[in-house]
Amino acid sequence: ETGVTQTPRHLVMGMTNKKSLKCEQHLGHNAMYWYKQSAKKPLELMFVYSLEERVENNSVPSRFSPECPNSSHLFLHLHTLQPEDSALYLCASSQEALAGGNEQFFGPGTRLTVL
Amino acid sequence: GNSVTQMEGPVTLSEEAFLTINCTYTATGYPSLFWYVQYPGEGLQLLLKATKADDKGSNKGFEATYRKETTSFHLEKGSVQVSDSAVYFCALSPLQGAQKLVFGQGTRLTINP
Repeated sequence: ETGVTQTPRHLVMGMTNKKSLKCEQHLGHNAMYWYKQSAKKPLELMFVYSLEERVENNSVPSRFSPECPNSSHLFLHLHTLQPEDSALYLCASSQEALAGGNEQFFGPGTRLTVL
Repeated sequence: GNSVTQMEGPVTLSEEAFLTINCTYTATGYPSLFWYVQYPGEGLQLLLKATKADDKGSNKGFEATYRKETTSFHLEKGSVQVSDSAVYFCALSPLQGAQKLVFGQGTRLTINP
């Protein structure tokens, strides 16, 4: 167990649907992340939240909308997605430190298929 | 900027063979370096890390040494097992700023019995 859970593990949705991915961390960390992992592409950082404030948004389309209501929970709201958005979406958490170098702990991911 | 380059996969070895997966990096300052492993159907797990030059990270028989002079962090294991089949990611964390990890593209390893 990594201490980071994600639900659902698998999701199939149509392009007009609205759905949400949920991530919860039980490690007492203060930073959380969303990554996208597509076949044959490097891991892409999508969003970073530190102390519940969004500190990074890597040019992600607005059809992806993150929400971080507290330091333990992170959501990714999805609407009007495209088939090319099909991927494994990974959540991670870490404990921010001034000196850097702290590892991130990953959840198992949500396998998303957009039809 | 910061970047990580890993050897191209896939890599296929026989059980008990010696493993090396090359990783080199480009970074400003002195980053921390990591190896993550992703088993089929799972998320990434930290395998080992090193936070300063000449540090050696080790775990589950895997080792990697932080070589500042060659900007490398190659992953090695003396005798691989079928259960080591996975995708391996090299990553760096810049010293300053938010805790961003910069990942390599991953190397798929398959071990045959």
